Amino acid sequence: GQNIDQPTEMTATEGAIVQINCTYQTSGFNGLFWYQQHAGEAPTFLSYNVLDGLEEKGRFSSFLSRSKGYSYLLLKELQMKDSASYLCAVRGLYGGATNKLIFGTGTLLAVQP
Amino acid sequence: DAGITQSPRHKVTETGTPVTLRCHQTENHRYMYWYRQDPGHGLRLIHYSYGVKDTDKGEVSDGYSVSRSKTEDFLLTLESATSSQTSVYFCAISETVAGVFSTDTQYFGPGTRLTVL
Repeated sequence: GQNIDQPTEMTATEGAIVQINCTYQTSGFNGLFWYQQHAGEAPTFLSYNVLDGLEEKGRFSSFLSRSKGYSYLLLKELQMKDSASYLCAVRGLYGGATNKLIFGTGTLLAVQP
Repeated sequence: DAGITQSPRHKVTETGTPVTLRCHQTENHRYMYWYRQDPGHGLRLIHYSYGVKDTDKGEVSDGYSVSRSKTEDFLLTLESATSSQTSVYFCAISETVAGVFSTDTQYFGPGTRLTVL
């Protein structure tokens, strides 16, 4: 079956670094996405990994290990506006259509002063 | 940001009534998706479309139907709404089927909050 696990909640301090982990078990693998979702808003795309290693985009980085079924999102120099839910999603091979995403339940990050 | 709108943004309806949600895009993207988001479940795919008049079921399609008569519009219909369909519904679009090195990112609309009493 398909399963994606993320911590439910995390708390961090403004200016610090936080790592949000995601582990997955899916039918095939064709990329992993991270989305940010502020309360009451739409998910917005943060990062994409399909090969092993680290992808860096400003304050945000995402890492993938396909052999371990593991990814993390690293947020540096935390700001209050980073308080949001972070969604991990895996694109696999389901029923012949390759672009379906399976989402984790999200990690609610609270950034404190 | 991708040009995606959803209407209505909020709706309250009664059990047993039909409801249609609309997703409109101005990006001319081929793929469109309907998700629902509920606490403890994350985003779950209801139906998706891979072209005009081409649609397929997602993981939670029971009680829902869709139609796509134009590239820019994707409609989600609840034929007879039930309280279990109270949720936030998101539409998403993407450009092409993913290749080996194609991100084919899905971009989301603002959502529709539906309450079924």
